[in-house]
Amino acid sequence: ILNVEQSPQSLHVQEGDSTNFTCSFPSSNFYALHWYRWETAKSPEALFVMTLNGDEKKKGRISATLNTKEGYSYLYIKGSQPEDSATYLCAFMSGNQFYFGTGTSLTVIP
Amino acid sequence: AAGVIQSPRHLIKEKRETATLKCYPIPRHDTVYWYQQGPGQDPQFLISFYEKMQSDKGSIPDRFSAQQFSDYHSELNMSSLELGDSALYFCASRKQGSSYEQYFGPGTRLTVT
Repeated sequence: ILNVEQSPQSLHVQEGDSTNFTCSFPSSNFYALHWYRWETAKSPEALFVMTLNGDEKKKGRISATLNTKEGYSYLYIKGSQPEDSATYLCAFMSGNQFYFGTGTSLTVIP
Repeated sequence: AAGVIQSPRHLIKEKRETATLKCYPIPRHDTVYWYQQGPGQDPQFLISFYEKMQSDKGSIPDRFSAQQFSDYHSELNMSSLELGDSALYFCASRKQGSSYEQYFGPGTRLTVT
């Protein structure tokens, strides 16, 4: 069983604050690490796919880093806005299978 | 651009009934994944197919079966439905060898009463 963990489980921040969360995954048999933004009752929105150790990706105010040797990825949100409120899921890809983390639920308070 | 299509979008069934969920992948995608997300729970991988053959199996109950057809669409068949089967069922598709990304459909909300 592959263990993908995310922390914290939930987070409340004030509008304008910057925040970050962590995804931990096995450091062996690594193919890719995916980040998704998932709003309740909607399909996941892909944010990033990272494959190389040291990868850094950025989309607007959101960025992510990857360390495959130690098995973690960070997702950063700069200047959080209420519309950033969602669950952020990471998925570790090994072979052709995806193993999802438990998600970090972010609430941005106006 | 064409996306993953799932049908129906909503389904209400009674206990012990059967249900069939359908997934139409993005054209030329050869791999389909099925996920279940119960209320307030993480998405759970159920099963995947590559080139019409089952490739990986996750936490799919024995009461469920699935297959991928020659046109690459997939169907998830659920029998002897239980209240606990009420969930969102997502499928995702991918083209192996060209991208790591999987593309999700809008989901089917199954309610078992």
